[in-house]
Amino acid sequence: SQTIHQWPATLVQPVGSPLSLECTVEGTSNPNLYWYRQAAGRGLQLLFYSVGIGQISSEVPQNLSASRPQDRQFILSSKKLLLSDSGFYLCAWRGDGGNEKLFFGSGTQLSVL
Amino acid sequence: GEDVEQSLFLSVREGDSSVINCTYTDSSSTYLYWYKQEPGAGLQLLTYIFSNMDMKQDQRLTVLLNKKDKHLSLRIADTQTGDSAIYFCAEKLRRMISGGYNKLIFGAGTRLAVHP
Repeated sequence: SQTIHQWPATLVQPVGSPLSLECTVEGTSNPNLYWYRQAAGRGLQLLFYSVGIGQISSEVPQNLSASRPQDRQFILSSKKLLLSDSGFYLCAWRGDGGNEKLFFGSGTQLSVL
Repeated sequence: GEDVEQSLFLSVREGDSSVINCTYTDSSSTYLYWYKQEPGAGLQLLTYIFSNMDMKQDQRLTVLLNKKDKHLSLRIADTQTGDSAIYFCAEKLRRMISGGYNKLIFGAGTRLAVHP
């Protein structure tokens, strides 16, 4: 069966520091992968998605970047964090078929101070 | 525009039914989803409905879709304390964004509190 791993679970970083969040998927090959951000009291905002190695699409301009160095690895990064980058970050992969079901990781709570 | 709206809070007594409502804007949406998020965790897909259906039932969950009013609801029968969570409604847009991805739009979530 497929599983998705995301770490760390929580992270406290100072403004201006770098960021690296990692997500890996097991049990499937060539998955579509996604990074979402959930701000308090708001819906999920799609940040990046990837249909394959090295293929990254960005939904919104921002201070973050994403990379996909391996088929089942998706990384969210920043060179210098801003206060506004605080939030709950969720990685997800898409199930097969046309129903676009998304399966989410357990999330990373990022606090930028 | 792209918008999915939900009320932010719902409080119910244990054993009663819960009804969580959602309105969406894209009349061409093909799939609509309900996700559940427990504290500190990721989202878990509860159920989904295809746009040509009016109702879908899955054990204690009943999804009703009113396409004319663009209204989706999730009914949880015999609500238990373990149902306390945030429930997200999402729609799959028919149109594709770059890369051939049918975008999912999520609501802000409804926090369900179940009390004895």
